[in-house]
Amino acid sequence: DTAVSQTPKYLVTQMGNDKSIKCEQNLGHDTMYWYKQDSKKFLKIMFSYNNKELIINETVPNRFSPKSPDKAHLNLHINSLELGDSAVYFCASSRVSAVSGELFFGEGSRLTVL
Amino acid sequence: QKEVEQNSGPLSVPEGAIASLNCTYSDRGSQSFFWYRQYSGKSPELIMFIYSNGDKEDGRFTAQLNKASQYVSLLIRDSQPSDSATYLCAVRTSGSRLTFGEGTQLTVNP
Repeated sequence: DTAVSQTPKYLVTQMGNDKSIKCEQNLGHDTMYWYKQDSKKFLKIMFSYNNKELIINETVPNRFSPKSPDKAHLNLHINSLELGDSAVYFCASSRVSAVSGELFFGEGSRLTVL
Repeated sequence: QKEVEQNSGPLSVPEGAIASLNCTYSDRGSQSFFWYRQYSGKSPELIMFIYSNGDKEDGRFTAQLNKASQYVSLLIRDSQPSDSATYLCAVRTSGSRLTFGEGTQLTVNP
């Protein structure tokens, strides 16, 4: 069973379109994240939710809107896509109270904006 | 100053050698430290975490933490070609925030 699963794995779309990425975790974790990884492999946090509550909201254009319907799901909607949005988007989850608090990552969703 | 800095590399070592990966961080209040490995086209996976000063060993991997110097390193002994990947240092600064460095690309040559 996949612990953190994201869909779709690949998106290719035109500038100006709107797209969504879905994420689900079956680890029973209380915190979920969206990270963006650019072409240079730099992983940058975008958002974090703890038990459906937004706790981290980095300087991200408001075209990006996360939604957490429950603590096992965290979706990302992107409006008016731009070329610079092309990247791999990783969903992750963790149990913050655990000693390690390590992140478990999904397989990533590669977004290409043409 | 970046919150987490790594030598971007690339780092190239011969098979069987020791690979040494370094990371510094800026927030003295940082609580725990992680090394992730990421193969090309894959997601990051945790290799080790450390939160106390000193060394922590797991098989061929040793993480070293020096909070006074704000420095954390990863040593890979008897490097194998399968160790070729990008290694990401990550630091938990507060609460649930995990900040990553830019990664060091390691190549182990047979």
